[in-house]
Amino acid sequence: AQSVSQHNHHVILSEAASLELGCNYSYGGTVNLFWYVQYPGQHLQLLLKYFSGDPLVKGIKGFEAEFIKSKFSFNLRKPSVQWSDTAEYFCAVNSGYSTLTFGKGTMLLVSP
Amino acid sequence: DTEVTQTPKHLVMGMTNKKSLKCEQHMGHRAMYWYKQKAKKPPELMFVYSYEKLSINESVPSRFSPECPNSSLLNLHLHALQPEDSALYLCASSKRLAGEGNNEQFFGPGTRLTVL
Repeated sequence: AQSVSQHNHHVILSEAASLELGCNYSYGGTVNLFWYVQYPGQHLQLLLKYFSGDPLVKGIKGFEAEFIKSKFSFNLRKPSVQWSDTAEYFCAVNSGYSTLTFGKGTMLLVSP
Repeated sequence: DTEVTQTPKHLVMGMTNKKSLKCEQHMGHRAMYWYKQKAKKPPELMFVYSYEKLSINESVPSRFSPECPNSSLLNLHLHALQPEDSALYLCASSKRLAGEGNNEQFFGPGTRLTVL
């Protein structure tokens, strides 16, 4: 069975700081990888996804993620965070044999 | 139309009530999903419908009863719920079936359910 691990449950940053949120998955076969964001009181929105091709994926709102197959990782990055990036971030994976599995989430707090 | 819509947005019900949550998509997607999300937790899969047939039931209690009247609609019927069932209920749909590769799910805004 596949699983997803997000290393940090809470991250606190000041505005303009750089962000990297870790995500590792366990499945050894072909995977699709996603990062979702959930702003306070709002629904899940897709930030970016990786299916195949260039392992560096660019998403919305200046976010990007890099798929490193050898490390089973799909870390989310943003060079300079804003207060409006305060939200819960979920990494998720699905494979050819399984439905979408979410990590436990990382709560990002950006102080102005 | 690239949206998944859900009604109602909020629902408060007593433990003896019967209510239904509705989900609709007009993207021609072949699979539809119900998830339950508690505060500060990831969504948990409840049910999957593939071609309007129930394909996955993640051991959900029978007080939750899904229904797929047609390829665009998905309902979740609620009866005799418990306070611990209070949560955000999310619907999603995907072009590809659960378990197929390159499967992106599109999520609706959810129904926030409170059981008193």
